[in-house]
Amino acid sequence: EVQLVESGGGLVKPGGSLRLSCAASGFTFSSYSMNWVRQAPGKGLEWVSSISSSSSYIYYADSVKGRFTISRDNAKNSLYLQMNSLRAEDTAVYYCARDNPMVADFDYWGQGTLVTVSS
Amino acid sequence: DIVMTQTPLSLSVTPGQPASISCKSSQSLLHSDGKTYLYWYLQKPGQPPQLLIYEVSNRFSGVPDRFSGSGSGTDFTLKISRVEAEDVGVYYCMQSIQLPYTFGQGTKLEIK
Repeated sequence: EVQLVESGGGLVKPGGSLRLSCAASGFTFSSYSMNWVRQAPGKGLEWVSSISSSSSYIYYADSVKGRFTISRDNAKNSLYLQMNSLRAEDTAVYYCARDNPMVADFDYWGQGTLVTVSS
Repeated sequence: DIVMTQTPLSLSVTPGQPASISCKSSQSLLHSDGKTYLYWYLQKPGQPPQLLIYEVSNRFSGVPDRFSGSGSGTDFTLKISRVEAEDVGVYYCMQSIQLPYTFGQGTKLEIK
């Protein structure tokens, strides 16, 4: 069974930093591209960042470029999102989601972790 | 960026009745590889989104056959043939032909 479990969310002051993690199990993590998608309270879904299976290709939304860094450790079956210079508008639930090239983008999602940026 | 526009933004349906959601993209989602990169997700209350339909019309594993997707180019539709209580939530279309991947605003389905 595919499982994605996010952690690392919490309350942080504007300008602060946070590192999110996504622990993957139930599939060969090193074979799949991964993504972060966020959802502000009461709002819709926003793609944040993607990373290919070997970390060769990395992409960011303009809204986080230069502030967020996506990475992965295939030996630990883990995906990360380092978030720096956080702003109030970064407040959201952050989901990790898997890409399955044989089926669909974002075929499985984690439960999400809440990041709140507030003074 | 490709803009995804869903209509309606909300709908209230009697159990057993059909429902339909439209999604229009600002650019064609047909790739040169022949695939159309349009997806449908359902976010049930308090849950993460779950994949329903991929590449316009393919039901994901475990998705009931009352859900169907259709369309081409820039116009797409998700249909539920007979709505059930468990179908409540917010439905999103998404494109992945071009970065940044973008979602529609969401359509909230409630049961009458």
